[in-house]
Amino acid sequence: AQSVSQHNHHVILSEAASLELGCNYSYGGTVNLFWYVQYPGQHLQLLLKYFSGDPLVKGIKGFEAEFIKSKFSFNLRKPSVQWSDTAEYFCAVNRASGYSTLTFGKGTMLLVSP
Amino acid sequence: DGGITQSPKYLFRKEGQNVTLSCEQNLNHDAMYWYRQDPGQGLRLIYYSQIVNDFQKGDIAEGYSVSREKKESFPLTVTSAQKNPTAFYLCASSTGTSRDNEQFFGPGTRLTVL
Repeated sequence: AQSVSQHNHHVILSEAASLELGCNYSYGGTVNLFWYVQYPGQHLQLLLKYFSGDPLVKGIKGFEAEFIKSKFSFNLRKPSVQWSDTAEYFCAVNRASGYSTLTFGKGTMLLVSP
Repeated sequence: DGGITQSPKYLFRKEGQNVTLSCEQNLNHDAMYWYRQDPGQGLRLIYYSQIVNDFQKGDIAEGYSVSREKKESFPLTVTSAQKNPTAFYLCASSTGTSRDNEQFFGPGTRLTVL
């Protein structure tokens, strides 16, 4: 079974700071990778996803993530955060072959101070 | 508007009572899912259904039951056997194929058992 590890439970940044949230997964085969975001009081929504091809994936609101297969990592980045990026971020993975449910990490709570 | 509805938003029950949480989707998705979200635990899969009249246990199915009699609906019953039922419950749906398993989430139901 696959598992997902998110390195930081809480991150506090000032506006305009750069962001990198770590995500590592454990599974030996080919995977699909996702980052979801949960803004306060809102639905969980997809930020970006990786299935194949270019390992650098761009998502909504200026976020991007890089898949590094050799490190089993899929870190989320944003060059300059805004107060509105305050949210909880979840990394998720599933197997690329056959039917596979998503496995989520425990989440990282990001607080951006104005 | 296409989406997933969960009702009610807040639910209170006395210990020892069964309670059913509703989830409806009009996205024409084959697959539906129930997750439990606890602080610092991320999302944990309770049950999922790939198609009508079929469902499988997830990682933490004990004390829960589901049914899938219609494509649009996937109700979750929290039984008195569930030791720690107080939690935030999220329903999701997807097209069902592993390749494009982006899951869409409902707004959630916060269950408090007194």
